[in-house]
Amino acid sequence: EADIYQTPRYLVIGTGKKITLECSQTMGHDKMYWYQQDPGMELHLIHYSYGVNSTEKGDLSSESTVSRIRTEHFPLTLESARPSHTSQYLCASRKGKYGYTFGSGTRLTVV
Amino acid sequence: SQQGEEDPQALSIQEGENATMNCSYKTSINNLQWYRQNSGRGLVHLILIRSNEREKHSGRLRVTLDTSKKSSSLLITASRAADTASYFCATDHFGNEKLTFGTGTRLTIIP
Repeated sequence: EADIYQTPRYLVIGTGKKITLECSQTMGHDKMYWYQQDPGMELHLIHYSYGVNSTEKGDLSSESTVSRIRTEHFPLTLESARPSHTSQYLCASRKGKYGYTFGSGTRLTVV
Repeated sequence: SQQGEEDPQALSIQEGENATMNCSYKTSINNLQWYRQNSGRGLVHLILIRSNEREKHSGRLRVTLDTSKKSSSLLITASRAADTASYFCATDHFGNEKLTFGTGTRLTIIP
């Protein structure tokens, strides 16, 4: 059913490891977004992209980086994971001014 | 911050009753959207209401918008156990390609 895919669904990783969270969409949407969601439910925008080779930092400071080499692919990378990075990460895409389509999320635990 | 606030933070009702959630925002909008999130999953777009609209219906959902009060409400009629989820409003502001999400309402339907 989903046209936007996030992998992995769950990830437990040790401190200091480099990780990449994958996000791909098949809808040809130009705009893509990464949100971090804390246990209290609030969503924080950490990165977004308006198209290929366009990336911007969001409202919440993050130690992660993103790239947008292809329209359909918007991976998020943490160079050195820390316990404070433990969270749910949600990827979304959008066409024009319509609603967002979200992926199922990646729940990251850093031990 | 443009972030909206939702009220109440949590709501528990009996199956079959109506559920009403409210959202307030701070600055002028292009449109306002409502999303549902089941536990541990991504958000699902429910309905979009434009700034020149006052009311919109979709199945058991009814959304109202009062731009003079900068507020919106989501009514779910004849609630079902499957409606148990968190509900978020999101505002689309002029000149900004990013949605601003509210703090969410956690709805529990008691069978």
